[in-house]
Amino acid sequence: AQSVTQPDIHITVSEGASLELRCNYSYGATPYLFWYVQSPGQGLQLLLKYFSGDTLVQGIKGFEAEFKRSQSSFNLRKPSVHWSDAAEYFCAVGGPENDYKLSFGAGTTVTVRA
Amino acid sequence: DTGVSQDPRHKITKRGQNVTFRCDPISEHNRLYWYRQTLGQGPEFLTYFQNEAQLEKSRLLSDRFSAERPKGSFSTLEIQRTEQGDSAMYLCASSQGGVDTEAFFGQGTRLTVV
Repeated sequence: AQSVTQPDIHITVSEGASLELRCNYSYGATPYLFWYVQSPGQGLQLLLKYFSGDTLVQGIKGFEAEFKRSQSSFNLRKPSVHWSDAAEYFCAVGGPENDYKLSFGAGTTVTVRA
Repeated sequence: DTGVSQDPRHKITKRGQNVTFRCDPISEHNRLYWYRQTLGQGPEFLTYFQNEAQLEKSRLLSDRFSAERPKGSFSTLEIQRTEQGDSAMYLCASSQGGVDTEAFFGQGTRLTVV
């Protein structure tokens, strides 16, 4: 069975500060990992993905994530947060073994204070 | 390429009524997925299509739910005899299929059953 845990329900960060969102996954094969962002009432926008290769992946909007197989983690980071980064962030896992059906974590809500 | 389109964006219906949602995937994407997202949770897989064939249905999809994808293009999701527990955001995603492809999500349809 595949699953994702996002331990932090809500994070508040000051504008300009760094941000790290945690994600732990369970998957029976080599995982395909994703981070999506969702603004209120909107759909999901893909920030970045990991399929294979370099374990540090770069995404849009200045985000990056690092895949650590030994820790079953895929944490998302951004060095300097902007007010527009306030949103809900979802980590997801899937792969070819299950036709890329995604399992999502419960999400982390990010609040940015001035 | 206009992205994944969902219609309507919002639907309010009375309990017991039937509702139908439509999803237009990115053209030439042969895979189409439906997910449901309740408040404060991540999306949960409902069903998916490879072209016009419905390949899997989650146990979340009760007999009151039916999905189609005639001719392998747009898809519809119908809920019969709606219940208050059906209130959620219904998200559609499409992908090219094959190896190393990610899913692109639509803006979702927000269903409220009163």
